[in-house]
Amino acid sequence: QVQVVQSGTEVKKPGASVKVSCKASGYTFTRYGIHWVRQAPGQRLEWMGWINAGNGNTKYAQKFQGRVTFIRDTSASTAYMELSSLTSEDTAIYYCARGPPAGYDSNYFDFWGQGTLVTVSS
Amino acid sequence: DIVMTQSPDSLAVSLGERATINCKSSQSVLYSPSNNNYLAWYQQKPGQAPKLLIYWASTRESGVPDRFSGSGSGTDFTLTISSLQAEDVAVYYCQQYYDTPLTFGGGTKVEI
Repeated sequence: QVQVVQSGTEVKKPGASVKVSCKASGYTFTRYGIHWVRQAPGQRLEWMGWINAGNGNTKYAQKFQGRVTFIRDTSASTAYMELSSLTSEDTAIYYCARGPPAGYDSNYFDFWGQGTLVTVSS
Repeated sequence: DIVMTQSPDSLAVSLGERATINCKSSQSVLYSPSNNNYLAWYQQKPGQAPKLLIYWASTRESGVPDRFSGSGSGTDFTLTISSLQAEDVAVYYCQQYYDTPLTFGGGTKVEI
């Protein structure tokens, strides 16, 4: 069965970086995309971008361009999201979610990680 | 960016009654050549990740009870829970995947 498991809670100081992992199992990792979505307290879900787990190509939402990096380790079926120059406004739950198979434009998310709480506080 | 607006923000429905949630996009999410609406619905229970309910505006995800249905086209969409059950208490979100950035509605909280 498909599972997506994320790394645990992070507490960071302003200006620091955070790296969240997302380990997939139960399917061929390289055939699908992994998207990153965050949910700040009281805010709507916010899409950050995605990585093609097969070829490593990425697309970032303009809001995060230059501050976020997605990578993947195909040998570990794991995707990573690194966000730098953190501020209090980055305090949120960060989710990874499986997107469609490569080559499809049906970017809805059928399996989600459990979420990683990132708290930015001095 | 395509702005997704949901209404109402919250609603209280009696057990067994119908719940209707609306979602409006700031531009059409209908791709005419395929006649597909690039619209999905999710359910999020407290402390949990969102769960996919509906995609292509009206296709139910495998395992989702048939009391959940999606309808609409173009810019106006509806999620209907035909007979509310206690386990349906949650926040529901619509999402467009017609264009990037992918965007979500603000959510509708459904209570008993």
